[in-house]
Amino acid sequence: AAGVIQSPRHLIKEKRETATLKCYPIPRHDTVYWYQQGPGQDPQFLISFYEKMQSDKGSIPDRFSAQQFSDYHSELNMSSLELGDSALYFCASTLVSEQYFGPGTRLTVT
Amino acid sequence: GENVEQHPSTLSVQEGDSAVIKCTYSDSASNYFPWYKQELGKGPQLIIDIRSNVGEKKDQRIAVTLNKTAKHFSLHITETQPEDSAVYFCAASTGTGGGADGLTFGKGTHLIIQP
Repeated sequence: AAGVIQSPRHLIKEKRETATLKCYPIPRHDTVYWYQQGPGQDPQFLISFYEKMQSDKGSIPDRFSAQQFSDYHSELNMSSLELGDSALYFCASTLVSEQYFGPGTRLTVT
Repeated sequence: GENVEQHPSTLSVQEGDSAVIKCTYSDSASNYFPWYKQELGKGPQLIIDIRSNVGEKKDQRIAVTLNKTAKHFSLHITETQPEDSAVYFCAASTGTGGGADGLTFGKGTHLIIQP
Protein backbone atom coordinates (compact mmCIF):
# COMPACT_ATOMS: atom_id res chain seq x y z
CA ALA A 1 0.00 0.00 0.00
CA ALA A 2 1.12 3.53 -0.76
CA GLY A 3 2.48 5.49 2.17
CA VAL A 4 3.22 9.11 2.98
CA ILE A 5 6.31 10.36 1.19
CA GLN A 6 8.57 13.04 2.63
CA SER A 7 11.55 14.73 1.07
CA PRO A 8 14.31 15.26 1.66
CA ARG A 9 14.97 12.58 4.25
CA HIS A 10 17.96 14.43 5.66
CA LEU A 11 18.80 18.12 5.53
CA ILE A 12 21.70 20.06 6.99
CA LYS A 13 21.45 23.84 7.19
CA GLU A 14 23.30 26.61 8.91
CA LYS A 15 21.83 29.09 11.36
CA ARG A 16 19.76 31.83 9.74
CA GLU A 17 19.29 29.82 6.54
CA THR A 18 15.95 28.69 5.15
CA ALA A 19 14.63 25.18 4.54
CA THR A 20 11.69 23.68 2.68
CA LEU A 21 10.28 20.28 3.57
CA LYS A 22 7.87 18.47 1.29
CA CYS A 23 5.11 15.99 2.04
CA TYR A 24 3.15 13.84 -0.40
CA PRO A 25 0.07 12.32 1.32
CA ILE A 26 -1.38 8.89 0.71
CA PRO A 27 -3.47 9.02 -2.52
CA ARG A 28 -7.02 10.28 -1.91
CA HIS A 29 -6.12 11.65 1.54
CA ASP A 30 -7.20 15.27 1.72
CA THR A 31 -5.81 16.28 5.11
CA VAL A 32 -2.18 16.83 6.06
CA TYR A 33 -0.64 17.44 9.48
CA TRP A 34 2.91 18.53 10.35
CA TYR A 35 4.65 17.49 13.57
CA GLN A 36 8.05 18.27 15.08
CA GLN A 37 9.85 15.68 17.22
CA GLY A 38 12.92 16.69 19.19
CA PRO A 39 15.44 14.10 20.38
CA GLY A 40 13.87 11.76 22.92
CA GLN A 41 10.60 13.70 22.85
CA ASP A 42 7.05 13.13 21.67
CA PRO A 43 5.81 14.62 18.39
CA GLN A 44 4.41 18.13 18.72
CA PHE A 45 1.62 19.25 16.40
CA LEU A 46 2.56 22.25 14.25
CA ILE A 47 -0.15 22.88 11.66
CA SER A 48 -2.75 21.11 9.53
CA PHE A 49 -4.49 21.54 6.19
CA TYR A 50 -7.79 20.26 4.88
CA GLU A 51 -8.74 20.59 1.23
CA LYS A 52 -5.87 23.04 0.66
CA MET A 53 -6.96 25.37 3.46
CA GLN A 54 -5.21 25.82 6.78
CA SER A 55 -7.31 24.05 9.36
CA ASP A 56 -5.56 24.24 12.72
CA LYS A 57 -2.39 25.63 14.25
CA GLY A 58 -0.40 24.19 17.09
CA SER A 59 3.00 25.24 18.36
CA ILE A 60 4.33 26.46 15.04
CA PRO A 61 6.83 29.35 15.30
CA ASP A 62 6.10 32.52 13.33
CA ARG A 63 9.29 31.83 11.35
CA PHE A 64 7.61 28.76 9.85
CA SER A 65 4.86 28.72 7.26
CA ALA A 66 3.18 25.98 5.29
CA GLN A 67 0.71 25.41 2.54
CA GLN A 68 -1.13 22.63 0.76
CA PHE A 69 -1.26 22.61 -3.02
CA SER A 70 -3.91 21.59 -5.54
CA ASP A 71 -2.45 18.06 -5.76
CA TYR A 72 -2.72 17.85 -1.92
CA HIS A 73 1.00 17.78 -1.32
CA SER A 74 2.21 20.14 1.38
CA GLU A 75 5.36 22.13 2.02
CA LEU A 76 6.72 23.43 5.32
CA ASN A 77 8.88 26.52 4.90
CA MET A 78 11.28 27.37 7.70
CA SER A 79 13.21 30.63 7.80
CA SER A 80 15.88 32.13 10.07
CA LEU A 81 16.76 28.66 11.27
CA GLU A 82 17.95 28.28 14.83
CA LEU A 83 19.94 25.49 16.48
CA GLY A 84 16.78 24.51 18.38
CA ASP A 85 14.99 23.74 15.13
CA SER A 86 17.11 20.61 14.77
CA ALA A 87 14.56 17.80 14.96
CA LEU A 88 12.64 15.20 13.04
CA TYR A 89 9.74 16.67 11.08
CA PHE A 90 6.88 14.37 10.29
CA CYS A 91 3.97 14.75 7.97
CA ALA A 92 0.82 12.69 8.50
CA SER A 93 -2.15 12.31 6.21
CA THR A 94 -5.69 11.13 6.72
CA LEU A 95 -9.02 10.75 5.02
CA VAL A 96 -11.10 10.59 8.21
CA SER A 97 -9.40 10.36 11.61
CA GLU A 98 -6.56 7.83 11.41
CA GLN A 99 -3.32 9.71 10.87
CA TYR A 100 -0.63 7.86 8.95
CA PHE A 101 2.86 9.23 9.39
CA GLY A 102 5.62 9.52 6.85
CA PRO A 103 9.24 8.51 7.48
CA GLY A 104 10.20 12.05 8.46
CA THR A 105 12.83 14.60 7.51
CA ARG A 106 15.78 14.90 9.85
CA LEU A 107 16.80 18.56 9.96
CA THR A 108 20.15 19.44 11.45
CA VAL A 109 20.98 23.11 11.99
CA THR A 110 24.65 23.89 12.57
CA GLY B 1 -5.57 22.49 25.77
CA GLU B 2 -5.30 18.75 26.01
CA ASN B 3 -2.68 17.15 28.27
CA VAL B 4 -1.80 13.46 27.97
CA GLU B 5 0.16 11.67 30.67
CA GLN B 6 1.77 8.29 29.91
CA HIS B 7 3.28 5.68 32.24
CA PRO B 8 5.67 4.05 32.59
CA SER B 9 8.45 5.78 30.67
CA THR B 10 10.37 2.50 30.43
CA LEU B 11 8.97 -1.03 30.63
CA SER B 12 11.07 -4.18 30.52
CA VAL B 13 9.29 -7.54 30.24
CA GLN B 14 10.32 -11.11 29.52
CA GLU B 15 9.55 -12.45 26.08
CA GLY B 16 6.16 -14.13 26.16
CA ASP B 17 4.86 -12.02 29.06
CA SER B 18 2.27 -9.26 28.78
CA ALA B 19 2.93 -5.51 28.74
CA VAL B 20 0.55 -2.76 29.80
CA ILE B 21 0.99 0.95 29.13
CA LYS B 22 -1.38 3.49 30.66
CA CYS B 23 -2.41 7.00 29.65
CA THR B 24 -4.65 9.68 31.07
CA TYR B 25 -6.06 12.72 29.30
CA SER B 26 -7.52 15.96 30.54
CA ASP B 27 -9.90 17.29 27.87
CA SER B 28 -13.36 15.74 28.04
CA ALA B 29 -13.89 16.81 24.40
CA SER B 30 -11.30 14.25 23.26
CA ASN B 31 -12.95 11.18 21.78
CA TYR B 32 -10.30 9.57 19.59
CA PHE B 33 -7.33 7.71 21.11
CA PRO B 34 -4.72 6.15 18.83
CA TRP B 35 -1.57 4.27 19.79
CA TYR B 36 1.64 4.50 17.79
CA LYS B 37 4.77 2.36 17.71
CA GLN B 38 7.98 4.11 16.77
CA GLU B 39 11.21 2.32 15.94
CA LEU B 40 14.50 4.16 15.92
CA GLY B 41 14.82 6.51 12.97
CA LYS B 42 11.32 5.77 11.67
CA GLY B 43 7.98 7.50 11.68
CA PRO B 44 5.25 6.60 14.19
CA GLN B 45 3.22 3.61 13.03
CA LEU B 46 -0.48 3.46 13.93
CA ILE B 47 -1.08 0.11 15.64
CA ILE B 48 -4.56 0.46 17.11
CA ASP B 49 -7.08 3.15 17.98
CA ILE B 50 -10.30 3.50 19.92
CA ARG B 51 -13.15 5.96 19.96
CA SER B 52 -15.09 7.13 22.98
CA ASN B 53 -18.20 5.16 22.11
CA VAL B 54 -16.28 1.91 22.55
CA GLY B 55 -14.82 0.51 25.77
CA GLU B 56 -12.42 -2.05 24.35
CA LYS B 57 -10.91 -3.02 21.02
CA LYS B 58 -8.68 -5.96 20.18
CA ASP B 59 -6.48 -6.81 17.22
CA GLN B 60 -4.63 -10.12 17.61
CA ARG B 61 -2.08 -9.65 20.42
CA ILE B 62 -2.90 -5.97 20.94
CA ALA B 63 -5.85 -4.55 22.83
CA VAL B 64 -6.85 -1.09 24.00
CA THR B 65 -9.29 -0.23 26.77
CA LEU B 66 -10.92 3.13 27.45
CA ASN B 67 -12.55 4.44 30.59
CA LYS B 68 -14.10 7.73 29.51
CA THR B 69 -15.42 8.56 32.97
CA ALA B 70 -11.96 8.30 34.50
CA LYS B 71 -10.32 9.73 31.37
CA HIS B 72 -7.81 6.96 31.00
CA PHE B 73 -6.94 4.39 28.35
CA SER B 74 -4.47 1.54 28.21
CA LEU B 75 -2.57 -0.55 25.70
CA HIS B 76 -2.20 -4.27 26.36
CA ILE B 77 0.25 -6.43 24.44
CA THR B 78 0.12 -10.17 25.09
CA GLU B 79 2.70 -12.86 24.26
CA THR B 80 5.37 -10.23 23.69
CA GLN B 81 8.02 -10.88 21.05
CA PRO B 82 11.45 -9.28 20.46
CA GLU B 83 10.05 -7.29 17.53
CA ASP B 84 7.67 -5.55 19.93
CA SER B 85 10.65 -3.64 21.36
CA ALA B 86 10.12 0.04 20.44
CA VAL B 87 8.82 3.32 21.82
CA TYR B 88 5.05 3.41 22.14
CA PHE B 89 3.08 6.66 22.19
CA CYS B 90 -0.52 7.20 23.18
CA ALA B 91 -2.36 10.20 21.79
CA ALA B 92 -5.68 11.98 22.01
CA SER B 93 -7.71 14.25 19.79
CA THR B 94 -11.27 15.31 19.14
CA GLY B 95 -11.28 13.04 16.10
CA THR B 96 -13.53 15.44 14.27
CA GLY B 97 -11.53 15.23 11.05
CA GLY B 98 -11.09 18.06 8.60
CA GLY B 99 -7.68 18.81 10.03
CA ALA B 100 -9.11 20.30 13.21
CA ASP B 101 -7.80 17.46 15.33
CA GLY B 102 -4.05 17.58 15.69
CA LEU B 103 -2.88 14.82 18.02
CA THR B 104 -1.61 15.47 21.52
CA PHE B 105 0.90 12.77 22.43
CA GLY B 106 2.04 11.27 25.69
CA LYS B 107 5.77 11.30 26.44
CA GLY B 108 6.23 7.73 25.24
CA THR B 109 7.09 4.36 26.75
CA HIS B 110 10.28 2.56 25.82
CA LEU B 111 9.27 -1.11 25.77
CA ILE B 112 12.12 -3.57 26.07
CA ILE B 113 11.47 -7.27 25.49
CA GLN B 114 14.07 -9.39 27.26
CA PRO B 115 14.83 -12.70 25.47
